[in-house]
Amino acid sequence: DTGVSQNPRHKITKRGQNVTFRCDPISEHNRLYWYRQTLGQGPEFLTYFQNEAQLEKSRLLSDRFSAERPKGSFSTLEIQRTEQGDSAMYLCASSSGLKPQHFGDGTRLSIL
Amino acid sequence: AQRVTQPEKLLSVFKGAPVELKCNYSYSGSPELFWYVQYSRQRLQLLLRHISRESIKGFTADLNKGETSFHLKKPFAQEEDSAMYYCALSSLVISSGSARQLTFGSGTQLTVLP
Repeated sequence: DTGVSQNPRHKITKRGQNVTFRCDPISEHNRLYWYRQTLGQGPEFLTYFQNEAQLEKSRLLSDRFSAERPKGSFSTLEIQRTEQGDSAMYLCASSSGLKPQHFGDGTRLSIL
Repeated sequence: AQRVTQPEKLLSVFKGAPVELKCNYSYSGSPELFWYVQYSRQRLQLLLRHISRESIKGFTADLNKGETSFHLKKPFAQEEDSAMYYCALSSLVISSGSARQLTFGSGTQLTVLP
């Protein structure tokens, strides 16, 4: 078990472009979370999946953001028409039951 | 609304000295409290959670519901303890649909000096 895996590690793109990140959770974990972390702050919750169902979304998740977990395994987070304010570290975490969340290394997004 | 406050952004202590990282929270329900640690160039990892009542790497934390605090303590700091520490809170609700997402504080960067 290699833990939670996120790709890519870094993404640099121009403002207005679309980007997609991938998260592969720990295989037996049915819960998957996305968080965003900006400089000097702790991670902030974006959205949550239980199996393939997206059960909760933060108000931080604007209409330009969409997340999927089509088969209840890996998940993708897409940002359309990126803006400067989207620059952040995007973290994925997974868990099952009442077990604590395990985090990936994150994807660092930089908007030029 | 739930909130976690870590009042110190930076904390420096000498090796062998006691260390306490402060964490206060506000939450209307039954909370579960955690400490996560991030060492340089590593991912965020769980240090301890209050329901386990474990001591990990010599660190302990006691949930004080009266003071709504969950301070992290270690009697003798080591240089390898230098890291960013985050206090976090989630709901203790067990229902299957409950997200139990984590609410994090802004973190405390601990530096243990030789």
